[in-house]
Amino acid sequence: DIVMTQPPLSSPVTLGQPASISCRSSQSLVHSDGNTYLSWLQQRPGQPPRPLIYKTSNRFSGVPDRFSGSGAGTDFTLKISRVEAEDVGVYYCMQATQVPWTFGQGTKVEIK
Amino acid sequence: EVQLVESGGDLVQPGGSLRLSCAASGFTFTSYWMGWVRQAPGKGLEWVANINRDGGTEQYVDSVKGRFTISRDNAKNSLYLQMNSLRDEDTAMYYCARHGLFAFEIWGQGTMVTVS
Repeated sequence: DIVMTQPPLSSPVTLGQPASISCRSSQSLVHSDGNTYLSWLQQRPGQPPRPLIYKTSNRFSGVPDRFSGSGAGTDFTLKISRVEAEDVGVYYCMQATQVPWTFGQGTKVEIK
Repeated sequence: EVQLVESGGDLVQPGGSLRLSCAASGFTFTSYWMGWVRQAPGKGLEWVANINRDGGTEQYVDSVKGRFTISRDNAKNSLYLQMNSLRDEDTAMYYCARHGLFAFEIWGQGTMVTVS
């Protein structure tokens, strides 16, 4: 199984400042079809997960452009260019390159 | 409006069975793979199972293989998860989710299963 590793907590961030969350996979996420199926989800307290990014760097419809994804192979990053209060929550990366699909443990974003 | 609504969660004893349902609306159900994801209290997300558009392909995480069965009724726009031989560690919120672009793009609100 592919193990996804995320730090449990990000450094508290000041409103309006950038934040970055890392995700590392135990093996390359490049699929045999050439795509990299790494996605990011946000989970606010008491809410179901909300998808943000698919295939490493593509935003789902309705996701603000302050969210961006990057990376390749085994190392990936979610960036929030200017953190807003509503961005507080836990962020998960997920790989769908290989069954079983696996999630990172989640990274909590807090406001300073 | 695209919507997924789960139901069927309950308190059940170890070794018992439960069937979860997910009613889909607002989109062409037959066009999408579907899946179940669970989240134990205070823990992270765990993928449970996927099913393809016609129900002919099922995929499971190892911990539920042989105990859980994912199925769908395309005539009823519904997804199901039959859970047998339930264990304490199956206690979780169970989310129904629609696939899209090799990600889960639409999520329900979840239904709680407690095994105790």
